[in-house]
Amino acid sequence: LAKTTQPISMDSYEGQEVNITCSHNNIATNDYITWYQQFPSQGPRFIIQGYKTKVTNEVASLFIPADRKSSTLSLPRVSLSDTAVYYCLVGGRNFGNEKLTFGTGTRLTIIP
Amino acid sequence: NAGVTQTPKFQVLKTGQSMTLQCAQDMNHNSMYWYRQDPGMGLRLIYYSASEGTTDKGEVPNGYNVSRLNKREFSLRLESAAPSQTSVYFCASSEVHLVYEQYFGPGTRLTVT
Repeated sequence: LAKTTQPISMDSYEGQEVNITCSHNNIATNDYITWYQQFPSQGPRFIIQGYKTKVTNEVASLFIPADRKSSTLSLPRVSLSDTAVYYCLVGGRNFGNEKLTFGTGTRLTIIP
Repeated sequence: NAGVTQTPKFQVLKTGQSMTLQCAQDMNHNSMYWYRQDPGMGLRLIYYSASEGTTDKGEVPNGYNVSRLNKREFSLRLESAAPSQTSVYFCASSEVHLVYEQYFGPGTRLTVT
């Protein structure tokens, strides 16, 4: 998988929009960008996945610029329940790769 | 539909003991995975099974063995537990062998003393 860089931690107030950026300068042509969310004492949960431009679902939006060297996960109007660790992964559809790792992610803390 | 289930939820072992972590999924998924997560760290892939009848090593396979018992079940065995294997173990499954849309179980918290 392509190496990714994301902030270690972020704080935000309830009701605000939160944007978490992930850098992946060596993304390959057939790589997809995937984000997971992990609450304490739980397994990660798939949030969103995209290849280019913008993807939106009921939970988040994913913005991918034309050069695809970075991506931004956007969480609208966050609440306390959005406090979690967010992981950015970049890789092909068939990863089959022993080096698959979620990295340390971004620890998002929502402040009341 | 329970999704991915893991047993046990907690386990304490002494160094040198063996145990098997069980994982089952009821989503008819083809691929299954075992990860470990150490405190403050991300998840690292131990072993995976892209389809029934196949298993392959991940990033950190040493000290572990796996068995894909059938399409539903994928077990992880520690033959001789070591303190370095103290971790939280997650099992996951996906419809096919894809990096996205993996469904995770609740985890097994293992302590080796």
